[in-house]
Amino acid sequence: KAGVTQTPRYLIKTRGQQVTLSCSPISGHRSVSWYQQTPGQGLQFLFEYFSETQRNKGNFPGRFSGRQFSNSRSEMNVSTLELGDSALYLCASSLGRAPYEQYFGPGTRLTVT
Amino acid sequence: QKEVEQDPGPLSVPEGAIVSLNCTYSNSAFQYFMWYRQYSRKGPELLMYTYSSGNKEDGRFTAQVDKSSKYISLFIRDSQPSDSATYLCAPLMNSGYSTLTFGKGTMLLVSP
Repeated sequence: KAGVTQTPRYLIKTRGQQVTLSCSPISGHRSVSWYQQTPGQGLQFLFEYFSETQRNKGNFPGRFSGRQFSNSRSEMNVSTLELGDSALYLCASSLGRAPYEQYFGPGTRLTVT
Repeated sequence: QKEVEQDPGPLSVPEGAIVSLNCTYSNSAFQYFMWYRQYSRKGPELLMYTYSSGNKEDGRFTAQVDKSSKYISLFIRDSQPSDSATYLCAPLMNSGYSTLTFGKGTMLLVSP
């Protein structure tokens, strides 16, 4: 079974630009969650999508948004990039029900200059 | 107080040692307790999880949860250099959401 894939793997953007990251979950998984990982804050939850609906959201500004398509693929968008948005962005897929085992992709490393 | 606390390490041990990795948490609503392993520049990999209190064993790994003291442990027997990685505990609630709350992780270094 193929794992979670994320594209692109690396990205360099300039302050003020916007970026879209993509995640393809494991086949059959209907839940996709996004996390931001930085050395200072560790892994922080951004949001979760289940069957095309956002069902939980972390404590991030509205510049961070996402969506999920009918095939469970998900995208997240960050608008008006700031230097502090430089991070590893990870998506995780799961069946979306107990025990909520989540499987992570390799991440997209975003650098904002 | 952070919801999940982990000593960042690094924890350095010789090959073959028994390793104990620990977390404390503050939210009594947590019911599932996941352990992830993350190698440098890779995504976290799910090692194992436990539900509520008790022990669970999987090969060289044993996870233990004491909900009365809000203490989570992962033991690694016969540690190998390939176990060198960052270990993250990540509890979650049985709330219908797949929301993991991560500790900062403990870096483990196993020397040959």
